[in-house]
Amino acid sequence: GENVEQHPSTLSVQEGDSAVIKCTYSDSASNYFPWYKQELGKGPQLIIDIRSNVGEKKDQRIAVTLNKTAKHFSLHITETQPEDSAVYFCPLREGAGSYQLTFGKGTKLSVIP
Amino acid sequence: DARVTQTPRHKVTEMGQEVTMRCQPILGHNTVFWYRQTMMQGLELLAYFRNRAPLDDSGMPKDRFSAEMPDATLATLKIQPSEPRDSAVYFCASGWTGDTEAFFGQGTRLTVV
Repeated sequence: GENVEQHPSTLSVQEGDSAVIKCTYSDSASNYFPWYKQELGKGPQLIIDIRSNVGEKKDQRIAVTLNKTAKHFSLHITETQPEDSAVYFCPLREGAGSYQLTFGKGTKLSVIP
Repeated sequence: DARVTQTPRHKVTEMGQEVTMRCQPILGHNTVFWYRQTMMQGLELLAYFRNRAPLDDSGMPKDRFSAEMPDATLATLKIQPSEPRDSAVYFCASGWTGDTEAFFGQGTRLTVV
């Protein structure tokens, strides 16, 4: 089946610095790449996504970049704030025509005030 | 404000007891997912329904777990008998086949003692 590796598993940054989380996938047919954020005590929530025909997408302080040749996509958070502290996931959609999302263990981001 | 509603939010039960978790998907959504989250395994997919029919429950221990959708407004996940290793946070998510986003509920934190 599809495999995704997410790095790092934990990340600590000073408030105001940038944070980058990277996901590597194995299936060349993958065409949808979302990022979910899970705050403490809550369920994951979609924060940004990108499709394979686009190389980069931005939404205020967050951006996602896609490198289809290298099969990886990254989440970039600039000017980090304490409220960015959360667990971030890059789930993959299993199979063509499927709406099933497979998550992993995620990356725990801590923003130090 | 449409949201996925899960009940109960917390459940403590003794080993061997039956546990039923309920989920009300967002009105109009036709896909429902059940996930289990633990520190060790991360977020694991247990079952996936489309139009109330189970499409994939390969992640679910069949001997003690069962998932159903009695109608479009209710999904249930049942564990009988429960074991301490079932202790986790169980999430329900819903979506619809015209979109890629999964909307998560707040989760049910289950503790089996």
